[in-house]
This record gives sequence, structure tokens and C-alpha cells, in this order.
Amino acid sequence: AQTVTQSQPEMSVQEAETVTLSCTYDTSESDYYLFWYKQPPSRQMILVIRQEAYKQQNATENRFSVNFQKAAKSFSLKISDSQLGDAAMYFCASAYNQGGKLIFGQGTELSVKP
Amino acid sequence: DGGITQSPKYLFRKEGQNVTLSCEQNLNHDAMYWYRQDPGQGLRLIYYSQIVNDFQKGDIAEGYSVSREKKESFPLTVTSAQKNPTAFYLCASSIARRTGGNEQYFGPGTRLTVT
Repeated sequence: AQTVTQSQPEMSVQEAETVTLSCTYDTSESDYYLFWYKQPPSRQMILVIRQEAYKQQNATENRFSVNFQKAAKSFSLKISDSQLGDAAMYFCASAYNQGGKLIFGQGTELSVKP
Repeated sequence: DGGITQSPKYLFRKEGQNVTLSCEQNLNHDAMYWYRQDPGQGLRLIYYSQIVNDFQKGDIAEGYSVSREKKESFPLTVTSAQKNPTAFYLCASSIARRTGGNEQYFGPGTRLTVT
């Protein structure tokens, strides 16, 4: 069974600083995709960043980047120049070519201090 | 504006009653999904559908039922057989079938409280 684990229930960062959220996953599949979703207090899920497992290059979206370590099955999210609007619950998720269903981690609640 | 709508935002029911949660999308997406979110946990898949008139059970399908009569609509019924129905329910859709790399777009969710 595929699993996704986020070992940090809560994280805190000072505004303008950098924070890294951890995620590990377990799979026997060779073709899969990894995602980070953000869920702000409105509870609307928003895609932050996507990584294809066959790509060695780490994905980047503006202030958000990932450190994808395929051998270690690790997929961390780095947020640079943190802003107050980044405060949210962040979920790591994986998907496989079996209907596209997502498997989610437990989430990390990020707070940003002014 | 294209998107996914879920109604109502808050729903209250008495124990023993069936209740249906609505999910509509105008994104022309093939696949639709229902997830359940409990405090301190990630989202768990209830049911998903890749095409009209076809759907598959997810990880926690017991006590739930769905239908997919139209591409745009994927209603979820929480039956009286569901032991702990109080939760936040999220509907999502994506553009392609049988592929894992496509972004899922989520609705705003429905908070169901059963007393």
C-alpha cells in the first residue's frame, strides 16, 4: 500500500524567513506524481506545486520549491520569503496511474509570525 | 467562472437519516472524487468516478453511496450505516482519466454535523 507521512504536525516561521516542510512516502510503483496542497482557513484546497517522479529536476513555483530525493522517498517543500498569507495547513500527496486518486499525508499546520 | 460548487456549506442532520451532498463542476472534467477530512488527519478517498455511469470505491466507502448520471454532477449520499458521519467533505475533479499527474481541483467543501 502506498503511504504518505508528514512528521511535523505544526511549524512556525518568521515573516520573510525560509521554512521547510517534510514529507516522506512509500511506494513500489515506478511512475508516480507528488504534490503539495495548501489549505488556508477558508478550507479551500489549492495546489502549490507538482513533481513528476521521472524528472530529476526539482520543481519550483515562485517562492515555493521542492527537494525531491527519490532514493530516500523524500519530498520536502521549501517556502522562501514567507508571507502572512502562507499561513495554512499544508498537505503532501502522491498519485499513481490508477485513476489519479490522491493519497494524502496528515498535514502540517504552518503559522507565520509578523 | 469555471469551478466546482458544493452545497450546502453547512449541513445538520439527525442520526439515522440519509443525507445527500451536492457536487457540480463546469470544468468539463472527466474524473470526480469525494474525500472526507477529519481533524488531525489528511483527506481520505471515499469514491471516485472516471466516466459517466461508472464509479469505484475508495479507501473508506462503507456507509456512503454515489451516482454519476451526468458528467457535471457527482452527488454523495451519507447513509445511516455510516458510523461516524460528522466530518468535512470535499469534492474534486480532474481533467483526465487513469493518469495520476493531473491536478485535482477542489470545491469549497461541506461541513456535515450529525447529532
